[in-house]
Amino acid sequence: DSGVTQTPKHLITATGQRVTLRCSPRSGDLSVYWYQQSLDQGLQFLIQYYNGEERAKGNILERFSAQQFPDLHSELNLSSLELGDSALYFCASSADPPSSYNEQFFGPGTRLTVL
Amino acid sequence: DAKTTQPTSMDCAEGRAANLPCNHSTISGNEYVYWYRQIHSQGPQYIIHGLKNNETNEMASLIITEDRKSSTLILPHATLRDTAVYYCIVSTNAGGTSYGKLTFGQGTILTVHP
Repeated sequence: DSGVTQTPKHLITATGQRVTLRCSPRSGDLSVYWYQQSLDQGLQFLIQYYNGEERAKGNILERFSAQQFPDLHSELNLSSLELGDSALYFCASSADPPSSYNEQFFGPGTRLTVL
Repeated sequence: DAKTTQPTSMDCAEGRAANLPCNHSTISGNEYVYWYRQIHSQGPQYIIHGLKNNETNEMASLIITEDRKSSTLILPHATLRDTAVYYCIVSTNAGGTSYGKLTFGQGTILTVHP
């Protein structure tokens, strides 16, 4: 158990819909990262937040957005869903402020299926 | 971040050492080598990291060549539970412009046989 929790575990929805994935980082971790894992693209970094502020952006689509709240939990919002958005979405957290090494703790993931 | 090259798959007998190679010939001076693994669609798990020197922890050892262009992850006594995809990642510390994002390649599928 990494200490990172993600809800829901599974999500099945239809094309065109909007969903919200939730992540609670390990206690005390300030950084939250979102990754997408699909069969054809592998594990890809989407976005990072540090203490409520966006720090880095990867290949995140404009239809996707994220935020980190004052209690440090994070949400990833996916809208206008397409079949290709079906994937495992992982959240990770780390203890950095940006001076420590990059050990990230991953949650169990949310499996999104778009029908 | 520097790109890494790993074999697609490897096999290992239970109880033997598993040696997983990784090439990172374009690594720069401030980049660390990290190893993570992913067991069957679970979240990736950190194993070990290093900069120049060899490192060992309770899970594995990491051997980095002197020129830092390649490394080897060693699982000293592989068990069936070590069957997983192993990712070699080169990344700056979070203090770099990448701010800690991990760039995963395809990894090596390690299968440990009884």
